[in-house]
Amino acid sequence: DSGVTQTPKHLITATGQRVTLRCSPRSGDLSVYWYQQSLDQGLQFLIQYYNGEERAKGNILERFSAQQFPDLHSELNLSSLELGDSALYFCASSGSGGADEQFFGPGTRLTVL
Amino acid sequence: AQTVTQSQPEMSVQEAETVTLSCTYDTSESNYYLFWYKQPPSGQMILVIRQEAYKQQNATENRFSVNFQKAAKSFSLKISDSQLGDTAMYFCALEQWNTGNQFYFGTGTSLTVIP
Repeated sequence: DSGVTQTPKHLITATGQRVTLRCSPRSGDLSVYWYQQSLDQGLQFLIQYYNGEERAKGNILERFSAQQFPDLHSELNLSSLELGDSALYFCASSGSGGADEQFFGPGTRLTVL
Repeated sequence: AQTVTQSQPEMSVQEAETVTLSCTYDTSESNYYLFWYKQPPSGQMILVIRQEAYKQQNATENRFSVNFQKAAKSFSLKISDSQLGDTAMYFCALEQWNTGNQFYFGTGTSLTVIP
């Protein structure tokens, strides 16, 4: 158990809908990262937050947004969902904003029908 | 552009034998970290080993060691005395932090340990 929690574990929804994925980092970790893992594109870094502020952006679509709240939990919002958004979404946390080991959550499996 | 390449989609090894997984990367930054992560069938991502680019000494964690060739931009993972529990997908990853913490992952190598 990494100490990172993600909810829900599984999510099934329809095209055009909007969903919110939630992540709670390990106790004391300030940095949260979001990743998308799909069969055709592998593991893609989406976005990083550090202590409530956006720190780095990867291949995140404009239809996707994220935020980190004062209690350090983070949410990833996915809107206007498409079939291709079906993937495993991971959250990871680390203690600092610098180079540091990341601890991954168990992931949220999103299926868009 | 920063890229990470794993040229071996699948590999297999006999239990107790040694196997090496290859990874090459490309970056224009001088400060970066390299990682190997393991993803067993359960789906959990688990850190195996990490290497700081400024360190010349190769990192070692029990049965896992790396061969870090900075000039060649190569970062291979050696697994000694392979165990059935090593069966997993292995991802090589590059982290840079000069422009925020950007992570880049390779496409993975599926390793099967054969009893």
